[in-house]
Amino acid sequence: EPEVTQTPSHQVTQMGQEVILRCVPISNHLYFYWYRQILGQKVEFLVSFYNNEISEKSEIFDDQFSVERPDGSNFTLKIRSTKLEDSAMYFCARRTRDRNTIYFGEGSWLTVV
Amino acid sequence: QKEVEQNSGPLSVPEGAIASLNCTYSDRGSQSFFWYRQYSGKSPELIMFIYSNGDKEDGRFTAQLNKASQYVSLLIRDSQPSDSATYLCAVSSSNDYKLSFGAGTTVTVRA
Repeated sequence: EPEVTQTPSHQVTQMGQEVILRCVPISNHLYFYWYRQILGQKVEFLVSFYNNEISEKSEIFDDQFSVERPDGSNFTLKIRSTKLEDSAMYFCARRTRDRNTIYFGEGSWLTVV
Repeated sequence: QKEVEQNSGPLSVPEGAIASLNCTYSDRGSQSFFWYRQYSGKSPELIMFIYSNGDKEDGRFTAQLNKASQYVSLLIRDSQPSDSATYLCAVSSSNDYKLSFGAGTTVTVRA
């Protein structure tokens, strides 16, 4: 199954800076997700995005976070005013049309210093 | 809050043996069950999914689901050193499709 491509693979940012993580689907999917995994912890759901709208978001996904699909292709996660605890691997994922299976991109490792 | 519990391990098995991984979940509304493999520093890789009670086999992997007991397992037959990884159990309900993950079981296959 084709995955999604994520950029950057690794980013180091100063605390308080804004970060944009990008996800490029290889084929045209409707369902996208962002998950994150803090080092040594569980993979956590952040937000789901369907038909260019947020369909569900977790408690973690507060006003600091936003998602959009500005050009109908790239799917971005913006983190405003980053905090040390935002350091994590962020995964973009997509769901297949015909079944409830979710495939993950390679991830973007964010380090906030 | 949907809880997914796994034995953290590590589970150490000799090459060629069967590795048995267990997972329990709290939400009876869960409809779909997944096993992902995650190598250190990498993303989760889907290896099995199961929707119905019973067994599902795919190569060396067998997933077993018992909804009444809220239990799902993964068997890895003829374990290889390349199977050494953390195995994540994930569940979703039909109305939201988002995944709730367990903490993962680390498997080490020793040659």
